[in-house]
This record gives sequence, structure tokens and C-alpha cells, in this order.
Amino acid sequence: EIVLTQSPDTLSLSPGERAILSCRTSQSVWRRYLAWYQQKPGQAPRLLIYGSSNRPTGIPDRFSGSVSGTEFTLTISNLEPEDFAVYFCHFYGTSRTFGQGTKVDVK
Amino acid sequence: QVQLVQSGAEVKKPGASVKVSCKPSGYTFTDYYVHWVRQVPGQGLEWMGRIDPNSGATYYPPNFQGRVTMTRDTSITTAYMELSRLRSDDTAVYYCARDYRSRGWSDYFDYWGQGTLVTVPS
Repeated sequence: EIVLTQSPDTLSLSPGERAILSCRTSQSVWRRYLAWYQQKPGQAPRLLIYGSSNRPTGIPDRFSGSVSGTEFTLTISNLEPEDFAVYFCHFYGTSRTFGQGTKVDVK
Repeated sequence: QVQLVQSGAEVKKPGASVKVSCKPSGYTFTDYYVHWVRQVPGQGLEWMGRIDPNSGATYYPPNFQGRVTMTRDTSITTAYMELSRLRSDDTAVYYCARDYRSRGWSDYFDYWGQGTLVTVPS
């Protein structure tokens, strides 16, 4: 089973700053099988990125995804107040697993 | 607009079963797979499987095989997830979610239900 390890556990930033979230896979995986979700307290997750770097319709372009080797990255440029939340990565290939989450909170 | 509305919170005894419903609206029920994902409070997410509402075909990952059953009723456009032999570590919020892809599966999710808290006291 593929294990996803997200870092850091918590990222403390101010509005307007850039957030860089990491998700490492335990082995090499096909890049198309990685998604990112945002979750706010008491709410269901929201799809931000699929196929490592694709945004669904309606997701702002300040959210972007990339990959290098076994490290997948979600970048949020110019943090808005509504971006402070928990972010999960999700591998949906041969096994289907989630990372443990990274909380982005206000510094 | 697309919505998935789930049934209300449940409290169950260890060893019992729970059945959670999920009623989508805003799209053709049989065009999109429905998945179930659970989340232990304050922790991560765990995928429980999927159902094709058109054919009724299901897929369960190994860690839930034998304990989870997903069904659907096309006459009332509702999907169900039943988990049996409940344990205290099954206490979680259970979500249904729509597959992103129409008439196939992508195994990632664009719309989610509001979640159903299932509590199994120890």
C-alpha cells in the first residue's frame, strides 16, 4: 500500500503569503493519480487539484500543484482569509489512500 | 445545483450494524459512481469503496471487505452504505461523495455529502 506523508503538520502564515505543502509517497507513483482537498471545520472536503496539477472548474488559480519524483506539492500563492484550513493529499491509483493532513493557520 | 444529502447521526452498540443513506440531486443519479469515505474525528480520511448506481456493481478495498455493503435504490435515487460488526474504532464521520467522472470512475471526488456521525461507544 502506498503511504502518503504530508509536511509540515501545521503551517502558520499571514494573509498574502505563499503556502507550500508537501506530500511524499512511499514509492514512485504515476503522477496522474494524486489529488488535493481542502477541508474547513465541520465541512466536507473540497476538491482543489486532480492529476497532480489540474484544477476543477471554479477553483482559483492561486492554487497550483506540482510533482518532483515522489514529492507532490500544493502551492497557495497570496493566501486569502478563506484559505486557512486543513489540506489533504489523496492517491487514487493501485491503492487509495490519504495523507494525514496539513493545517494552514493564521500566524 | 449538485447536492448529496445524507441521513442523520447514529449511535450503535458494538457488534451492531449501521446503514447510512445518501440522496444526490442536481444530476442524473445513474451517471456517476458514489463513493464512501470516513473520517475519525480530528484525523485523516479513509476510502471505503464505491458503487455504480447504474449497474449496482461495487468495489471494496481489502480492509473493508466482508464488513461493508453498498447498495442503491434507483427508484428513489438513493445510495446506501451498511457497515456491520461495529467496533468502537468505527466511530467516525461517514461521507458519501460523487466521482468526478461521468459514466466511469476516476476515484477522486467533486461533490460530497454533509457527513453522518456514527458513534459506537466502547
